[in-house]
Amino acid sequence: NAGVMQNPRHLVRRRGQEARLRCSPMKGHSHVYWYRQLPEEGLKFMVYLQKENIIDESGMPKERFSAEFPKEGPSILRIQQVVRGDSAAYFCASSPYGNDNYGYTFGSGTRLTVV
Amino acid sequence: AQTVTQSQPEMSVQEAETVTLSCTYDTSESDYYLFWYKQPPSRQMILVIRQEAYKQQNATENRFSVNFQKAAKSFSLKISDSQLGDAAMYFCAYRSGGSGGSNYKLTFGKGTLLTVNP
Repeated sequence: NAGVMQNPRHLVRRRGQEARLRCSPMKGHSHVYWYRQLPEEGLKFMVYLQKENIIDESGMPKERFSAEFPKEGPSILRIQQVVRGDSAAYFCASSPYGNDNYGYTFGSGTRLTVV
Repeated sequence: AQTVTQSQPEMSVQEAETVTLSCTYDTSESDYYLFWYKQPPSRQMILVIRQEAYKQQNATENRFSVNFQKAAKSFSLKISDSQLGDAAMYFCAYRSGGSGGSNYKLTFGKGTLLTVNP
């Protein structure tokens, strides 16, 4: 049973370009969470999605960031017109339930570098 | 809002020795969960151990154990018989319990970088 798969592992974008980060949850998991890890910081919650629904996007910057989890395919975190401050590691986690008491399964993250 | 504080940015331990990583948190809730995650250089976030706040007994997973002091809001991680593979960044995390509210969000501390010396 493959874990949470994130790709690409590394992504380099020039300022102003778009970044698309993909997350395939574990088999049987229908809840996906995105977290961002800035340098020297812990992970911070961005958004919680279920299939075709955004449940909580309170941690997402108001502009340029969007997320989706379609009925088919991976969850996508999209950052438009990237700036240097977007450089970070972006992690996806999944769970079978919305309040999984056993802790979520995380992917290995995508490191975004904006040059 | 809940906060998690890890006051030790870096720690080191000799192989086979014991080390304790500190974590304190601030909450007004009585029902919650606490976690320690390990992040090796591969960047994978690996769950090490979890503790339910309503349980008085400290959680243990092989060489890893916690000292959960609910009144003091302290949740330290003890690693016994340290191994080279234990070298990693360790994050303490908090999640609300209960049936409502944002009980799916993890709040993380800034981490403690553990070095294991041979």
